Amino acid sequence: AQTVTQSQPEMSVQEAETVTLSCTYDTSESDYYLFWYKQPPSRQMILVIRQEAYKQQNATENRFSVNFQKAAKSFSLKISDSQLGDAAMYFCAYRMNTGNQFYFGTGTSLTVIP
Amino acid sequence: KAGVTQTPRYLIKTRGQQVTLSCSPISGHRSVSWYQQTPGQGLQFLFEYFSETQRNKGNFPGRFSGRQFSNSRSEMNVSTLELGDSALYLCASSPDYSYEQYFGPGTRLTVT
Repeated sequence: AQTVTQSQPEMSVQEAETVTLSCTYDTSESDYYLFWYKQPPSRQMILVIRQEAYKQQNATENRFSVNFQKAAKSFSLKISDSQLGDAAMYFCAYRMNTGNQFYFGTGTSLTVIP
Repeated sequence: KAGVTQTPRYLIKTRGQQVTLSCSPISGHRSVSWYQQTPGQGLQFLFEYFSETQRNKGNFPGRFSGRQFSNSRSEMNVSTLELGDSALYLCASSPDYSYEQYFGPGTRLTVT
């Protein structure tokens, strides 16, 4: 069974600093997709960044980048130049190549300190 | 395009009652998935519907059911509510041939 583990329930970062959120997953599949979603307090969940497992290059979206280590089954999210608006719950998610079922981690609550 | 909408946004029910939640996907999206979000368990997959057919199902008891209409709108029903069903229920829609999901704001269900 696919499982996604986020070992950091809470993290904090100073404004303008860099923070890395960890995620590991377990799968026997070779082709799959990985995602980071952001859920601000009482607001909608939005997609931050995605990574296709067949791509070796790490995905980047502005201040957000990932470190995808396929062999280690690790998928961490780096947020550079942290802003107050980055404060949210962050969820790591996995999706197999076939089917549309997503598996989510339990989330990391990120606090940004002014 | 309008995003995924869910109604109602908040709901309070009593143990033993049943509840129906509604989700309208983004226009053109035929896949709708439902998730239960609780503080301790995170997001857990309930089921996915595509073109009015249930395509995937998570590990939830039969009290949780759903359906999808021809316009892709989806409903989920929980019968014989239990205190543990208190959660945020999220709906997500996906376009065809895409691996992305777009989430609605959720329905906060409180069972007393």
